[in-house]
Amino acid sequence: GIQVEQSPPDLILQEGANSTLRCNFSDSVNNLQWFHQNPWGQLINLFYIPSGTKQNGRLSATTVATERYSLLYISSSQTTDSGVYFCAVERDTGRRALTFGSGTRLQVQP
Amino acid sequence: EAGVTQFPSHSVIEKGQTVTLRCDPISGHDNLYWYRRVMGKEIKFLLHFVKESKQDESGMPNNRFLAERTGGTYSTLKVQPAELEDSGVYFCASSQDFQTTRGEQFFGPGTRLTVL
Repeated sequence: GIQVEQSPPDLILQEGANSTLRCNFSDSVNNLQWFHQNPWGQLINLFYIPSGTKQNGRLSATTVATERYSLLYISSSQTTDSGVYFCAVERDTGRRALTFGSGTRLQVQP
Repeated sequence: EAGVTQFPSHSVIEKGQTVTLRCDPISGHDNLYWYRRVMGKEIKFLLHFVKESKQDESGMPNNRFLAERTGGTYSTLKVQPAELEDSGVYFCASSQDFQTTRGEQFFGPGTRLTVL
């Protein structure tokens, strides 16, 4: 099956710092989603981004499908950004299942 | 618009008992998915419904798991009999396809299942 690797696995930032999270995948994908899992375990949709670049406030994401990677940028981080960030891809096989990476655990310190 | 809802939020049962989890998708979403995350592992796909039909159940671990979606609205996932290794968080998601694009999946809050 498809492999999804996220880096770094853990990240500690001071409030106000910027960061870049990376997601590499091993095969062609139809779709790619970024999620933030908050401290209560809820998966919050951040981006639906099979290709191109999108921005939403302090967050932006870029997917380069031909090179099989996606980046999530967090600018001016806040303590509320803490949690686990997951990348998930839908493989280009006709099946709709999302394959998740193991996540990046982000801690933003005040 | 209400999001995906799941019930119960937590369930603690003993090995050998039966548990039924429920998922209500976003209204109008034809696609419904079950995923789970067991301790220390990634979130894994279990199965996919399109309306009331099972489209893909390749992720179901064994025949102790039974998923239904009668009428194409809410779905249930029954574990019978439960084993210790079934402990984890069970997520439900839903999506709606459009004419030319596949739909974004939206997740519920999950049901945390503990088997003692």
